[in-house]
Amino acid sequence: EAQVTQNPRYLITVTGKKLTVTCSQNMNHEYMSWYRQDPGLGLRQIYYSMNVEVTDKGDVPEGYKVSRKEKRNFPLILESPSPNQTSLYFCASRQGGTGGYTFGSGTRLTVV
Amino acid sequence: KNQVEQSPQSLIILEGKNCTLQCNYTVSPFSNLRWYKQDTGRGPVSLTIMTFSENTKSNRRYTATLDADTKQSSLHITASQLSDSASYICVVRSNTGTASKLTFGTGTRLQVTL
Repeated sequence: EAQVTQNPRYLITVTGKKLTVTCSQNMNHEYMSWYRQDPGLGLRQIYYSMNVEVTDKGDVPEGYKVSRKEKRNFPLILESPSPNQTSLYFCASRQGGTGGYTFGSGTRLTVV
Repeated sequence: KNQVEQSPQSLIILEGKNCTLQCNYTVSPFSNLRWYKQDTGRGPVSLTIMTFSENTKSNRRYTATLDADTKQSSLHITASQLSDSASYICVVRSNTGTASKLTFGTGTRLQVTL
């Protein structure tokens, strides 16, 4: 089944403790992206990658890092999480051109 | 500034009734518009895509319209079912050279009740 897999689904952590949210897609998509979703706001792009070893900042990149060493994986790294990073995070991938996104099921992160 | 506004914010309808969700955008240059359905606790799933030249597109009980002149789109749901309860998100893509940018609306939360 074609899908984007995120882990974990739920995570509660403390301020300053580094964490990684993994994302993997099995569709050989070139383009991958991370979004956060907060109440009353539309999805906001954190980082995106157009291909292996090519990453760029989205609209809200502060406090996040990403890497794209392989085509299928695009982990999101929070080096020193803070409470304002409490949010619902989505990884998504798509083929080039005007293809639509396939989204993962989301990771609900709480930073206390 | 590119913006996508959706209305209403939330809506409650009885099962079997129809409803229409609205999306107004100020995104330029326009490439396409998609409607996504997001079930609670899940990622968004694409329902339809509308390009500049398309006025209407249907997908089962979902019919999307696009008026590129007034920069408005609507999503009409016919004969609603309980499983239609979800958030519906309007997303507009703009292309500038080799880069593309998506602007997301905040969604309409639809609840279908018995």
